[in-house]
Amino acid sequence: SQQGEEDPQALSIQEGENATMNCSYKTSINNLQWYRQNSGRGLVHLILIRSNEREKHSGRLRVTLDTSKKSSSLLITASRAADTASYFCATGEFSGGYNKLIFGAGTRLAVHP
Amino acid sequence: KAGVTQTPRYLIKTRGQQVTLSCSPISGHRSVSWYQQTPGQGLQFLFEYFSETQRNKGNFPGRFSGRQFSNSRSEMNVSTLELGDSALYLCASSQRPSQETQYFGPGTRLLVL
Repeated sequence: SQQGEEDPQALSIQEGENATMNCSYKTSINNLQWYRQNSGRGLVHLILIRSNEREKHSGRLRVTLDTSKKSSSLLITASRAADTASYFCATGEFSGGYNKLIFGAGTRLAVHP
Repeated sequence: KAGVTQTPRYLIKTRGQQVTLSCSPISGHRSVSWYQQTPGQGLQFLFEYFSETQRNKGNFPGRFSGRQFSNSRSEMNVSTLELGDSALYLCASSQRPSQETQYFGPGTRLLVL
């Protein structure tokens, strides 16, 4: 089952523009992570934000978390063609002594030169 | 450090056969998790192993099994393959069980005919 749902499902922008992707989830979480996947390959971890944090930055990435609305957003500034990929949010659920990652369906981002 | 490696990268099987996929974690990582990715269901957690013990399991039938060796390498096995098992199988490693950030391998793409 999927916990997070990304919005939009697909996004097409020009190089230099900003890209914003949103993620909503249903249950209480310990943290929320964003991963990138290039064309059917492995996932690359981008950033983790804990449930007691509201905003986090990493290079051109900015992530916000609103636990009251159970939502997060990923902003990529000054996008490049190399940012073309699928982006997934994943929520970390801790139950029964174990942490498990639940992934959303992803947003497909296309950045055109 | 070398990343997570998975073998084989591509595999074609027929219905009813069984398959074994292999994953070697990053050196020093002792936890290995497996995920199935399909266009319809997205990324779904299969199981997590640590110290040769299954620590956590997703909602998959018993045809899906795994194991971990003393050197932390892991294998997953799918018996009596069905067409719906066609997917990208991703392995991820971390230093400790249930650690938040996962490091993914490139995946094994399985096609069941």
